[in-house]
Amino acid sequence: AQRVTQPEKLLSVFKGAPVELKCNYSYSGSPELFWYVQYSRQRLQLLLRHISRESIKGFTADLNKGETSFHLKKPFAQEEDSAMYYCALSRLNTDKLIFGTGTRLQVFP
Amino acid sequence: DVKVTQSSRYLVKRTGEKVFLECVQDMDHENMFWYRQDPGLGLRLIYFSYDVKMKEKGDIPEGYSVSREKKERFSLILESASTNQTSMYLCASSSPGTSGNNEQFFGPGTRLTVL
Repeated sequence: AQRVTQPEKLLSVFKGAPVELKCNYSYSGSPELFWYVQYSRQRLQLLLRHISRESIKGFTADLNKGETSFHLKKPFAQEEDSAMYYCALSRLNTDKLIFGTGTRLQVFP
Repeated sequence: DVKVTQSSRYLVKRTGEKVFLECVQDMDHENMFWYRQDPGLGLRLIYFSYDVKMKEKGDIPEGYSVSREKKERFSLILESASTNQTSMYLCASSSPGTSGNNEQFFGPGTRLTVL
């Protein structure tokens, strides 16, 4: 079965510390993975997708097929990074996504 | 600025009432989605529509129905609201995806409370 697991409900760090939000998936095939973010009082929006291999707002995520992981990383957290982060997996041969349960990132000054 | 809009930000209804949640997108997207967002459970797909009058059940369709009479509008209907349907409801839209390109655009959400 296709599944996305985000093991941490809450991650708290101080400004300037490195951040890693974990995401593991189960999938039979070539996965398409995404990170979505929801800032306070804003709508959910795409942060990045693995196929683009891009860095957005200093965040990167590398697909590790051996470990079936797609962890989101940033070397130096900023207070404005505080938000809810969801990892998502594209369902096989559809336009539908499976979302993880989300991780709330709190960055303290 | 492209947008997905939802008819209400907050809604309070009584048990047994029929509830309509409306979603409109101006991006000419074929796909539209309804999710509910609950703490600790993430986003769960209720229904999906890939074209006018076409729909598919998602992971938690029980107690819900949908209507898509026009391409830009996707309605979620609670036939007889119950307290366990108290939640945040998110609408989203997307174009049919080429590989890795099926970004979903979300509305602001409707927080529904059923008393």
